[in-house]
Amino acid sequence: DTGVSQDPRHKITKRGQNVTFRCDPISEHNRLYWYRQTLGQGPEFLTYFQNEAQLEKSRLLSDRFSAERPKGSFSTLEIQRTEQGDSAMYLCASSLDGGGHEQYFGPGTRLTVT
Amino acid sequence: GQNIDQPTEMTATEGAIVQINCTYQTSGFNGLFWYQQHAGEAPTFLSYNVLDGLEEKGRFSSFLSRSKGYSYLLLKELQMKDSASYLCAVSLPPLVFGKGTRLSVIA
Repeated sequence: DTGVSQDPRHKITKRGQNVTFRCDPISEHNRLYWYRQTLGQGPEFLTYFQNEAQLEKSRLLSDRFSAERPKGSFSTLEIQRTEQGDSAMYLCASSLDGGGHEQYFGPGTRLTVT
Repeated sequence: GQNIDQPTEMTATEGAIVQINCTYQTSGFNGLFWYQQHAGEAPTFLSYNVLDGLEEKGRFSSFLSRSKGYSYLLLKELQMKDSASYLCAVSLPPLVFGKGTRLSVIA
């Protein structure tokens, strides 16, 4: 399977704990995106990388959120001191360079903060 | 900002044609995407418009008018498996999505 993969698929954590998610993009894609989706809403942009460089972060991304893509391949998204409002589906997508290429989405990580 | 508006829900009959509209307000974008999302699954790509006009892919077609800030997705010969949410998104990049239109196909 050469699609986008994400791990874990589900995560339940207690408020105040830290969590980290991983995304493995399609191997030849140099762009990697993180989105968050809540029920009844479309995906909401968080941040994206071109190779290892983080090109843009949403204003919605608080300083509790950090993302890395150290070698330009897989990426991690960490949420520190989780809050109940962080409960959502976290989606990763990858694409070739440029805005005209479709983004391929992974299956997502569903986070529940209790 | 990039306000993207779509109807929240639509219902159509199996075998029929349905048009899902999308209006947007944005200062500039590369193109407009349509994605399909079944409940609990990731979005999957349906179509992409960069120029004004109609793009046809099998049972699915998408139209874009940049001057009118308007797009639509046309689904023909509806099947039960087409019941899903349909997401309109402008590509800056990144993608800026509307809230999606939940389509129910009934017999």
